[in-house]
This record gives sequence, structure tokens and C-alpha cells, in this order.
Amino acid sequence: EAGVAQSPRYKIIEKRQSVAFWCNPISGHATLYWYQQILGQGPKLLIQFQNNGVVDDSQLPKDRFSAERLKGVDSTLKIQPAKLEDSAVYLCASSPTGTRDKNIQYFGAGTRLSVL
Amino acid sequence: GEDVEQSLFLSVREGDSSVINCTYTDSSSTYLYWYKQEPGAGLQLLTYIFSNMDMKQDQRLTVLLNKKDKHLSLRIADTQTGDSAIYFCAESTPGNQFYFGTGTSLTVIP
Repeated sequence: EAGVAQSPRYKIIEKRQSVAFWCNPISGHATLYWYQQILGQGPKLLIQFQNNGVVDDSQLPKDRFSAERLKGVDSTLKIQPAKLEDSAVYLCASSPTGTRDKNIQYFGAGTRLSVL
Repeated sequence: GEDVEQSLFLSVREGDSSVINCTYTDSSSTYLYWYKQEPGAGLQLLTYIFSNMDMKQDQRLTVLLNKKDKHLSLRIADTQTGDSAIYFCAESTPGNQFYFGTGTSLTVIP
């Protein structure tokens, strides 16, 4: 089966510009996650969707970050305006809804963002 | 959030066993996981263990869980150069929240 797809793979912007990332989860996976991974650290959850509803966005900096999953499939994550400290890899993951497997996440390759 | 801690670096010789350790703080964890991340790639699930188990073996991988001490380890037998990567442990809670460790960079010396 196809994995989690993310685009673009790389993005370089100047501070105060806007940027958007796209994620297509594995077909049939109801849960979708966005993580921020700063160099040398583990992934930190930004937002979790169950279908098109938000389950957890407690660590999302809502003054500049937004995310949506309008039809419960693809998702976009936006940063507006970007700051230098937003330089990181943004990882998307999805998980199925079966009771046995619901806690296993499958990750995309990520989008590496550099803010200059 | 919860604290999940790992040592930062580990070097082993090819053919030896590697043991990567992890400690966590949330006693209500439901699953614990080991992920592998190679340069420029996303995280690849290696194995996971349910919190009521104390050991799981999968080919060259052995996971040990000491729930009393909140300690998780991953043993890689016959370590190969292709095992060089960053290894993350992670835990999930009953509310399906995930917390990752900082990662252990494994270097395999030929």
C-alpha cells in the first residue's frame, strides 16, 4: 500500500513569509498527526485530527500556525508569519482506526523548512 | 507533556549487540514503541510492546520492558552498518497521545 505522502520535501523562506505543507495519509486512516522535529530533538506533536475534527492542538502555536483537514483525508499545515525558530522538519503521520492497530503511526518523509 | 529520555549516542562494532535504553514517566502508558530514522527520512516503526508485556522478540530485535522502573530497552543482535541511524522510543497514553524521546544516534563501526 502507498505510504504517507508529504510535499514539498524542502522549503526555504525568509522570516515573516508564509508557508504551507501538504499531507496525504494512508488510504482509510482516520487519524492524522502533524509533528515538528527540531534538529537534534524528537518529534513534538502539533495537532491531531480524527477524520476532519481536531482531537488535540494544545501544542500548536495558534497565533501563527493553522491546520485543516476539511474532507477528512488530506491535510495542510500553514505558518504565517514564519519565525527563525520555526526551522525544523515537519512530519505527518497517520494511523488506522482498528482497535488492535489504532496506536501505530505511519510517518511520511517530512518537509524540511529553513527560515532565513 | 510526559518526559521520555534516552542517551544521545551509542557506538558499537559490527557484529556486536547494541542496547538502546529509554526511560519514561507516565505509568498509564498503553503502548511503547521503537522507531528508526535514517538521514533525510521519516520515522520507521521497528517494533512495539503492549504495556502488560515484559518482553517481545522479533528477529534480531528484542524489546524489554520494566514497568516498575519505567524502563524500556531495545537490543539489536549482530548489529550491521545498515543499522546506523537515530532510534526513538515513544509512548502512547490511554488518550492516544504520543510522546517521543530525544533519540539515540547509533553508529556502527565496520
